[in-house]
Amino acid sequence: GAVVSQHPSRVICKSGTSVKIECRSLDFQATTMFWYRQFPKQSLMLMATSNEGSKATYEQGVEKDKFLINHASLTLSTLTVTSAHPEDSSFYICSASPNLGSSGNTIYFGEGSWLTVV
Amino acid sequence: DAKTTQPNSMESNEEEPVHLPCNHSTISGTDYIHWYRQLPSQGPEYVIHGLTSNVNNRMASLAIAEDRKSSTLILHRATLRDAAVYYCILRGFVSGGGADGLTFGKGTHLIIQP
Repeated sequence: GAVVSQHPSRVICKSGTSVKIECRSLDFQATTMFWYRQFPKQSLMLMATSNEGSKATYEQGVEKDKFLINHASLTLSTLTVTSAHPEDSSFYICSASPNLGSSGNTIYFGEGSWLTVV
Repeated sequence: DAKTTQPNSMESNEEEPVHLPCNHSTISGTDYIHWYRQLPSQGPEYVIHGLTSNVNNRMASLAIAEDRKSSTLILHRATLRDAAVYYCILRGFVSGGGADGLTFGKGTHLIIQP
């Protein structure tokens, strides 16, 4: 099946620094990728939609200047948490959907990235 | 995405069938019913999806009510590895890969007893 990979799987950073998380679709092209955040014992919350070659679309309440998204190619989207604070500590998950074929309405998820801000 | 309602948790014994219900009374005619599951500390995993007819794959079966206002995910023989949170999500069909992000509810926490 389609595979979406995230890197790093775990990262610890100091408060005030920035950290980048990568999301790659390994065997398909994805015009659109999605970024979610999940706090412990809660459900996934959609943060933003990453569009290849154009600006990301952010959900209400998500600061676009704090969570920078870059979708430079059809297989890579990056999420940069800028000036991270302890409250940004969370499980970040990306997902993507193949552009073509009958699987076009199925979304595949990455393994997730644990961010801890100390 | 339209709203779905699932029980908070369910418990089953290993090697027995599990029926996970989902109510979606406001489903529209073009909404697909998707099921994903999430194991602890992992990203969600696609399980199955359908529109009107019952669907089977190697992971599970999806039984859809005739009026489409409810559906049931069936795990035919549960194992300990099936312990996860199962999410039932409605999504409009989008061709060519253009898509909206999924809206996750709280899901059903499935507990499997050995």
